[in-house]
Amino acid sequence: KAGVTQTPRYLIKTRGQQVTLSCSPISGHRSVSWYQQTPGQGLQFLFEYFSETQRNKGNFPGRFSGRQFSNSRSEMNVSTLELGDSALYLCASSFSGDKRKFFGPGTRLTVL
Amino acid sequence: DQQVKQNSPSLSVQEGRISILNCDYTNSMFDYFLWYKKYPAEGPTFLISISSIKDKNEDGRFTVFLNKSAKHLSLHIVPSQPGDSAVYFCAASARDGANSKLTFGKGITLSVRP
Repeated sequence: KAGVTQTPRYLIKTRGQQVTLSCSPISGHRSVSWYQQTPGQGLQFLFEYFSETQRNKGNFPGRFSGRQFSNSRSEMNVSTLELGDSALYLCASSFSGDKRKFFGPGTRLTVL
Repeated sequence: DQQVKQNSPSLSVQEGRISILNCDYTNSMFDYFLWYKKYPAEGPTFLISISSIKDKNEDGRFTVFLNKSAKHLSLHIVPSQPGDSAVYFCAASARDGANSKLTFGKGITLSVRP
């Protein structure tokens, strides 16, 4: 069974731009969540989606948004990029209600 | 406020010996705990988990112990192998209906010396 896939793997943007990251969950998993990993803060929860609905949101500004499609694939968008948004963005999928999350390889975003 | 703490940033052990990785938590609503391993340039890999109704869970070389009264859990790796060298994250989830958000510690870097 294929794992969680994320595209692109690496991205370089400049301040003020916006970016869209994509995630395809493990087949059969309908819950998708996003995490940001930075050296200083570790892994921080961004949001979680199930059946195209945002079920939970972390403590991030409104510039961070996401959505989920009917095939469970998910995208997250960051608008008006700031230097501090440079991080590894990780997507994780799971069966609904299963607290074991399975992570993708991440998208490394660098904001210059 | 850091709800999941991994106070030791690094640990070095000899191959074949036991590795003990510790984790403390403050939120009494946490009822499920997980350990992940992460190599550079890869996403975290699920290792083992434990529910708060248990105090021990074992899977091969990996055993997780939970002490609810002390709000402490530990991961034991026996015997340690050089391939175990990675960053290990402790994570916790609270009992909250369908909410399954994970709260992570900042990780501990394990080095296993040949």
